[in-house]
This record gives sequence, structure tokens and C-alpha cells, in this order.
Amino acid sequence: IAGITQAPTSQILAAGRRMTLRCTQDMRHNAMYWYRQDLGLGLRLIHYSNTAGTTGKGEVPDGYSVSRANTDDFPLTLASAVPSQTSVYFCASGVAGTSYEQYFGPGTRLTVT
Amino acid sequence: GENVEQHPSTLSVQEGDSAVIKCTYSDSASNYFPWYKQELGKGPQLIIDIRSNVGEKKDQRIAVTLNKTAKHFSLHITETQPEDSAVYFCAARNFNKFYFGSGTKLNVKP
Repeated sequence: IAGITQAPTSQILAAGRRMTLRCTQDMRHNAMYWYRQDLGLGLRLIHYSNTAGTTGKGEVPDGYSVSRANTDDFPLTLASAVPSQTSVYFCASGVAGTSYEQYFGPGTRLTVT
Repeated sequence: GENVEQHPSTLSVQEGDSAVIKCTYSDSASNYFPWYKQELGKGPQLIIDIRSNVGEKKDQRIAVTLNKTAKHFSLHITETQPEDSAVYFCAARNFNKFYFGSGTKLNVKP
């Protein structure tokens, strides 16, 4: 059982380019989340999904979009990357409505130049 | 939205001593308060959590306390060991969203 996988591990991206960060979980969790982690700011929620087919905005959604076509996958897209989106991105999954526990992936380090 | 504040930002203790990290939250509707440990280069790992209808929870050397009236909760680590050195984050769940504190870097000196 892999848990949560994220790809790529790291990426350097030119400003203005489009980028999709991938997240896959094999735990059949109904809820999935995307966070960004910046030094001194902890983790901030970008978007979330309580179940396949639904998504919601978090604290910092601008410049990002998500989709949830099935239970296992929750890709995060940057339509036109800007340097302020340089960060470490973490995907998480959990069982919304019951335990509330979240399990995090290993992260993607993104640098926008 | 919810606002979670965490203190201290850094904490250095001697091996075997206790460590306490404190968090406050602003919205009384928050109902679940997890604590995460993050080691360098890895994702956060859930170490203990508490729901709003419980005042205290313990798991071996780790305990969490919650004071709903004052809107604060704390992580207590007893008999600290060098492998406890990491960054610890508190969080609050508020209407399907999680809000995190800014983290505490714990250093346990051998």
C-alpha cells in the first residue's frame, strides 16, 4: 500500500507556464486536500474536495484550480505560474464526516523563476 | 475564517525533560484539533488529535489538552528523546477546512 503519492518530487518552472501537480491515494478516502507550505507560515489550504465530483476553495485559492473526477486522484493546476507560487505543495487525504484525520503525501517542491 | 496561533516558534530542551507547545484558535465552531510532526524533507505526520467534546487525550509520552472556553489547546511531550526533534504543527478543523499554526521547531539536546 503506497498511501499518498505526489509527482513530481520537485520542479523548476518558468513564470507564465502551466503546471499540474499530481496526487493519488489508494486508501479510498473520500476527502482530499491541497496545501502550500512557506517558511514561517505553516500550511495553508488551497483547495479541498469532500467527495469525488465536488471541490471547495481554501484560504489561498487564487491562481490554482483542482478537479476530482474519481476518488483516487486530485490534481492541482497552476494555469500561469508566478514567482509567488514558489513553495512546497502537500496533498492530503482523509475520511470527511467521521474521523477527520488527514494523511499527507511527501510533497512537491516547486520553484517558479 | 479561523485563525490559529502557535507558540513558541522554537523550543530547546534537554533530553528527558518535558516540552509544551501551545495554540489558540479564534472560532468556537472549530471541532477537531490535530497535532502533526514534520521531519526535514517529509510531509506532516499526525501524532495525536482531540475533538471538541474531550478535554484531554494521552498516548504514551504525548498528551493533548483542550480548553474550549479559553479557545486554546496544548501538546505535552514527556521524557523527550533526540528523535522527538522536529517541527510540530497544531491545526483546527472549521467547516471542512483545516487551519494550521505556524509551527514550533523542537530541539532535544542529548
